[in-house]
Amino acid sequence: AQSVTQLDSQVPVFEEAPVELRCNYSSSVSVYLFWYVQYPNQGLQLLLKYLSGSTLVKGINGFEAEFNKSQTSFHLRKPSVHISDTAEYFCAVIFISNFGNEKLTFGTGTRLTIIP
Amino acid sequence: EAQVTQNPRYLITVTGKKLTVTCSQNMNHEYMSWYRQDPGLGLRQIYYSMNVEVTDKGDVPEGYKVSRKEKRNFPLILESPSPNQTSLYFCASSLLAGGHEQYFGPGTRLTVT
Repeated sequence: AQSVTQLDSQVPVFEEAPVELRCNYSSSVSVYLFWYVQYPNQGLQLLLKYLSGSTLVKGINGFEAEFNKSQTSFHLRKPSVHISDTAEYFCAVIFISNFGNEKLTFGTGTRLTIIP
Repeated sequence: EAQVTQNPRYLITVTGKKLTVTCSQNMNHEYMSWYRQDPGLGLRQIYYSMNVEVTDKGDVPEGYKVSRKEKRNFPLILESPSPNQTSLYFCASSLLAGGHEQYFGPGTRLTVT
């Protein structure tokens, strides 16, 4: 079955430190990859996406992610976090073989907590 | 302002009492979808609609119905709610299915007692 794994359910990080949130998916088919952020009591907002081309993708708020096809990963990184980055982060994948409903399959989320 | 709206934002109801959660988008999007979010499970798709003519089940459709009579609206119907449908629900839309960004509504927190 096609699935998306976010192994870290919670990640505490000191302010101004770097962070990496991990995402792996299980499939050999072509994929589109996304990271969404959910601030407290809000809906989801797109951080960045990979559809094709350069494997390093830059998004909003200083985040970037790198697609690694051989490792089926799409880890999210930020070199220096701020208090305002406290949120839940979701990795999501479209497995392109699902013709007709190219739905987002979500990971279980990683709660990022910034420590002052 | 381009947005997806949902109503109500919060709802407490009792088992078996039919309810409808409305979803509307003003971006002329073809694709719309409903998700439920539960702790430790992420978001799971309930139903989706490729356009006004095509609507189909997602991963967890049991106990839910939808309709897409016009492009902008995609209501979620719970004909006989049960406590296991207590959850946070999100409506989303995108220009088309596939690699297009999905825009999410603010969510509806439903409690069924």
